[in-house]
Amino acid sequence: SQKIEQNSEALNIQEGKTATLTCNYTNYSPAYLQWYRQDPGRGPVFLLLIRENEKEKRKERLKVTFDTTLKQSLFHITASQPADSATYLCALSNNDMRFGAGTRLTVKP
Amino acid sequence: GAVVSQHPSWVICKSGTSVKIECRSLDFQATTMFWYRQFPKQSLMLMATSNEGSKATYEQGVEKDKFLINHASLTLSTLTVTSAHPEDSSFYICSASFGGRSSYEQYFGPGTRLTVT
Repeated sequence: SQKIEQNSEALNIQEGKTATLTCNYTNYSPAYLQWYRQDPGRGPVFLLLIRENEKEKRKERLKVTFDTTLKQSLFHITASQPADSATYLCALSNNDMRFGAGTRLTVKP
Repeated sequence: GAVVSQHPSWVICKSGTSVKIECRSLDFQATTMFWYRQFPKQSLMLMATSNEGSKATYEQGVEKDKFLINHASLTLSTLTVTSAHPEDSSFYICSASFGGRSSYEQYFGPGTRLTVT
């Protein structure tokens, strides 16, 4: 069956460091992979989309990589700030869209 | 741009009653709208996909007679939870897309917290 796994339920880092979140998948061939941010009690907010033929994408302090051989995406936040604290979801798209359970990131001042 | 609203943001209802949740795309026309359910610390689970003017497509295991979806216009979709039970208590989130069912950015509403007593 299809599985999407995000590396850990929670990740704590110090302000200024780079946060790296992992999304692994099995039995799936996504055409796109997306990352969303979700704050408590709120809907997800779209951050980045990367296509299967793209290796890397950047947007300001965010960087996403997509390795279809490893079936893995890495999501990096550089120079992290306490305001980056949230749950980050990866989502895989082909004929539909499936979400991972998310990683709760806490950036400590 | 691409703002999606939901109403109400939270609702408490008694077991056996029905509850309607509205999802609106405020500044764009949404070809497709999606309804998700999210339990605490769990992933978003897609319940159904709806296109304006046609019947919704429900995911396996989702009862279409219990979760009625109407997509009357390109800016409005509604989800009605009929004869609600405590196990229906959850966070319901809608999203809207310019494109079809797959592969496009989805813009999410703020969610509706439903509590059935």
